[in-house]
This record gives sequence, structure tokens and C-alpha cells, in this order.
Amino acid sequence: GQQLNQSPQSMFIQEGEDVSMNCTSSSIFNTWLWYKQDPGEGPVLLIALYKAGELTSNGRLTAQFGITRKDSFLNISASIPSDVGIYFCAGQPLTGTASKLTFGTGTRLQVTL
Amino acid sequence: DTEVTQTPKHLVMGMTNKKSLKCEQHMGHRAMYWYKQKAKKPPELMFVYSYEKLSINESVPSRFSPECPNSSLLNLHLHALQPEDSALYLCASSLPLGSGRGGGILPGEQFFGPGTRLTVL
Repeated sequence: GQQLNQSPQSMFIQEGEDVSMNCTSSSIFNTWLWYKQDPGEGPVLLIALYKAGELTSNGRLTAQFGITRKDSFLNISASIPSDVGIYFCAGQPLTGTASKLTFGTGTRLQVTL
Repeated sequence: DTEVTQTPKHLVMGMTNKKSLKCEQHMGHRAMYWYKQKAKKPPELMFVYSYEKLSINESVPSRFSPECPNSSLLNLHLHALQPEDSALYLCASSLPLGSGRGGGILPGEQFFGPGTRLTVL
């Protein structure tokens, strides 16, 4: 199935550094969702974005819905060891009553002390 | 409560076995989903139920058979699986698109369970 382009694919950062990752699509989406997944667990919803241009924060996380509706960005400030994991973006068109998410390829974040 | 539960946590089965995966949520969500996830890959959608009716089947082989007995439960029946079906199977639920806010949760926001790690021998 279709996947969104997510970058970077992986990154090593020092504890305390800020992190940026982004997701791009050739299609327009009405909603962008950002998830974090730890090994062997299900994805956990971090942030949901519903309007083009919207900037939303959740603690040290900030995400933006791109103006073109074809991209989204996630920033993590002052990273800590528990930020380790895989981050997935997901785009959602408005179709019917059940949402069909298209996932990004994932960004693997590893933090060094 | 934004919890989706899945049982079992781990499952090992032979290619001739019949087994079932179970998913439960009590958030009043009327859309439920099955995903398959291979290592280091994003989740892949398998089935979507909306108001207890199957609305999307992503061309999944018939050896996977979903069932939604009521608005809180979702099952995935497995029969004659192949080793390549080994994966993490995730269940998710959401408010249906077009519905109002439910306890601060917006329609379409999907909440995932912890998954069932399936190994087919």
C-alpha cells in the first residue's frame, strides 16, 4: 500500500538536543497524526493536527500541519533517554465513517547520554 | 480511559492450527481496525469495521477472518497460516468520522492496543 515519505530514517542524538523530523506526501490529507512506538508495543498517539497551518504542542513535542496539506513536521525539544523509539506520521483523508490511515516509513530515534 | 486491550500477548501456532486474536475497547468507539506490522515497518491496514459492519478489507487472504460480535469486541480468526504471516497484529479503535467529540477525543484519532506477537511455525 501507499506509504508517506518520512525523514530522517534514523538518527542518533545527544541527550538534551532538539530533534526534527518530517513527513511528505503526494496526496492531500485532512488530518495528520503522530505516533511513537516502543519495541514490541502498539503505537501511542502523540499529537493530532486538523487544520492546515496548525501548530500544536504536547509537552516537549510540537507538530505542524503544512500549509499545502501534503506535509507535517514533528519537533522534540531537550530530548531525554525515554524519547527512544520509532516515530510514525500518519495522514488521514476524510472518507466514509471509518478513517483509513496512511503511515510514514518511520523515524528511529536513538539517544546517547 | 483510552485503553484498547488485546489477547493473547504472544501466540505460537502451527500451519494447521486454528486460533483467534481478541481485541476489546470500552471507549464507545464504533470504528475498529486490524493491522499487521512486520519488523521495522509501519502498520499495514487489514480490516476496518464501522458500526459493527465490515467496511474495508484490504485484499487480505481468506485465512484471516475478522468478526465484530458487538461494539466493544473485535476478533481475528486464523486458519492455515503461513510462516510469512508471523508479525505483530495490532488492533485499533476510533470514533467514527462525522461524529462529535467523545470525552475530548476527536473522530478519526485511532488508539492502538499493545498487539499480539504471532509466530507461525
